[in-house]
Amino acid sequence: NAGVTQTPKFQVLKTGQSMTLQCAQDMNHNSMYWYRQDPGMGLRLIYYSASEGTTDKGEVPNGYNVSRLNKREFSLRLESAAPSQTSVYFCASSDRTRRFSEAFFGQGTRLTVV
Amino acid sequence: AQKVTQAQTEISVVEKEDVTLDCVYETRDTTYYLFWYKQPPSGELVFLIRRNSFDEQNEISGRYSWNFQKSTSSFNFTITASQVVDSAVYFCALSEGTGTASKLTFGTGTRLQVTL
Repeated sequence: NAGVTQTPKFQVLKTGQSMTLQCAQDMNHNSMYWYRQDPGMGLRLIYYSASEGTTDKGEVPNGYNVSRLNKREFSLRLESAAPSQTSVYFCASSDRTRRFSEAFFGQGTRLTVV
Repeated sequence: AQKVTQAQTEISVVEKEDVTLDCVYETRDTTYYLFWYKQPPSGELVFLIRRNSFDEQNEISGRYSWNFQKSTSSFNFTITASQVVDSAVYFCALSEGTGTASKLTFGTGTRLQVTL
């Protein structure tokens, strides 16, 4: 049982390039999330999808777009990467049927924008 | 707006010492959940505990224990007889539940270093 799988694990981009971070979960969870982790700031929510077909902004959505492709997959796109987007990105999922259920996290994607 | 404060940035202890990690939260919600996650050097986030706002009973799980005090808006985490494997960054988080998704507000984390 893989849980939450993110690809890639590492990526270096040049300023202005675009890329998509992929996330898939096999726990049949309805809700999925994208967080970024920066030194000294903990994790901050970028976007989330409460259920298939819906997406909403989190605390720091600027510069990102998301797509909930199906129940399993939730992708994060950087259209024009900036150095300020250098961070570790975590995808997570949770069971909507259990209110306030814990989130399960992927291994993270370490992104560097130069 | 919700807020979670972990005032201890870094703690160093010698193995077998007890250590308490502090967490203070702010929320206007009457129903909420609090969480602790562990992030070992390998980088993944490991769920440790989930506690709802109506249950102020302390919880013990092996060497881990949690003290939830609504009166002081605190949810502290104690490791008894610490071990080197406990070295990690520990995050406290608060869940803002809309009924359809549980979004987490994280503290900035406490790095625990346990040495021999």
